[in-house]
Amino acid sequence: DQQVKQNSPSLSVQEGRISILNCDYTNSMFDYFLWYKKYPAEGPTFLISISSIKDKNEDGRFTVFLNKSAKHLSLHIVPSQPGDSAVYFCAAIHTGTASKLTFGTGTRLQVTL
Amino acid sequence: DTAVSQTPKYLVTQMGNDKSIKCEQNLGHDTMYWYKQDSKKFLKIMFSYNNKELIINETVPNRFSPKSPDKAHLNLHINSLELGDSAVYFCASSQFDRMVLGYTFGSGTRLTVV
Repeated sequence: DQQVKQNSPSLSVQEGRISILNCDYTNSMFDYFLWYKKYPAEGPTFLISISSIKDKNEDGRFTVFLNKSAKHLSLHIVPSQPGDSAVYFCAAIHTGTASKLTFGTGTRLQVTL
Repeated sequence: DTAVSQTPKYLVTQMGNDKSIKCEQNLGHDTMYWYKQDSKKFLKIMFSYNNKELIINETVPNRFSPKSPDKAHLNLHINSLELGDSAVYFCASSQFDRMVLGYTFGSGTRLTVV
């Protein structure tokens, strides 16, 4: 039972344009959502997060939007740069006892010149 | 100075063998985790320890046994390795009361069982 889903396994975007990565979840108990970025042969690194009480969080070129009613979040990268090429994982957590990060399957972003 | 370090980075071994993967964190975190990334690239939690106490134990074969000698270390021992155990194993750490800041991951151990 996959509670966090990223339905697009890959995405290709031209340098300078906007990259939009999507994520859906099913567990309404999740109260925090995070995005991780992963390069080959490295562990995932934390990128940006959002609380369920907000609908938007921005950090430089990265913005995460949350639509609680649709159980959907998205990560926008503007402008996209070649160094953004990586696998992006959406993750969610219920900040209760023994909470754990539940990950999506990832979206591979390729930023082309 | 690596925050979360795992050894070895690569491990190739035969079916039936027993092997261990070590993990150490120098972030002062009180919670550590083992995640498995399978061939479909799905990152799935296996275990979590908080202050050396097991707090999460997902449905994992009991051939897998975690051991936390102290807050900074979480090792994973695997008995009687099977082909299906081939995967990348990631160690991670976090501060239990600040999980919203995310986890810090190690660079992974690629286990190949032949």
